[in-house]
Amino acid sequence: GENVEQHPSTLSVQEGDSAVIKCTYSDSASNYFPWYKQELGKRPQLIIDIRSNVGEKKDQRIAVTLNKTAKHFSLHITETQPEDSAVYFCAAIRGYSTLTFGKGTMLLVSP
Amino acid sequence: NAGVTQTPKFRVLKTGQSMTLLCAQDMNHEYMYWYRQDPGMGLRLIHYSVGEGTTAKGEVPDGYNVSRLKKQNFLLGLESAAPSQTSVYFCASSYFRPRNNEQFFGPGTRLTVL
Repeated sequence: GENVEQHPSTLSVQEGDSAVIKCTYSDSASNYFPWYKQELGKRPQLIIDIRSNVGEKKDQRIAVTLNKTAKHFSLHITETQPEDSAVYFCAAIRGYSTLTFGKGTMLLVSP
Repeated sequence: NAGVTQTPKFRVLKTGQSMTLLCAQDMNHEYMYWYRQDPGMGLRLIHYSVGEGTTAKGEVPDGYNVSRLKKQNFLLGLESAAPSQTSVYFCASSYFRPRNNEQFFGPGTRLTVL
């Protein structure tokens, strides 16, 4: 089955800095890669996703890049703000199967 | 729309007790899922359902059973709770679409087994 590795497990940045979270996947047939954000005590929510036929996708301050050859994808957050502090999960899926999540990255943005 | 709701929000059980967690969604989603979340372990899939009357095992199914008698409801049962089942349980639902199946999560149930 699919295996998703996520790094780093924790990330501390100063407000205004950029943050990058990286994930690798094992199944070369995976074709959908979502990112979820989970604030403390809340439910995970989708923030951005990318499909295998696209190399990069942006939505305001967040972007995701995908390298199918290397089987890795990354989340980029620019101009970080304290409200970006949360746990971020990457995931991968092939076709009609189920999502496999990474173990999460706790992002702390200090004012 | 309420989205995905879970009942109860908190529960404390003694070892060996049983309980059922209820998940309900009003988005007419075909797929429903049960995850458990433990510190440092991410979200692990327990069981899932691709439609009314069908269920399938996920990554960590042992000690749990599920039922989906109605499309909008997905029940997770613990027949004989163990301390290792102390966790936060999330239900989720999604449409039946490959490459575009955003999962909508419920608020979670915090379960402690003593």
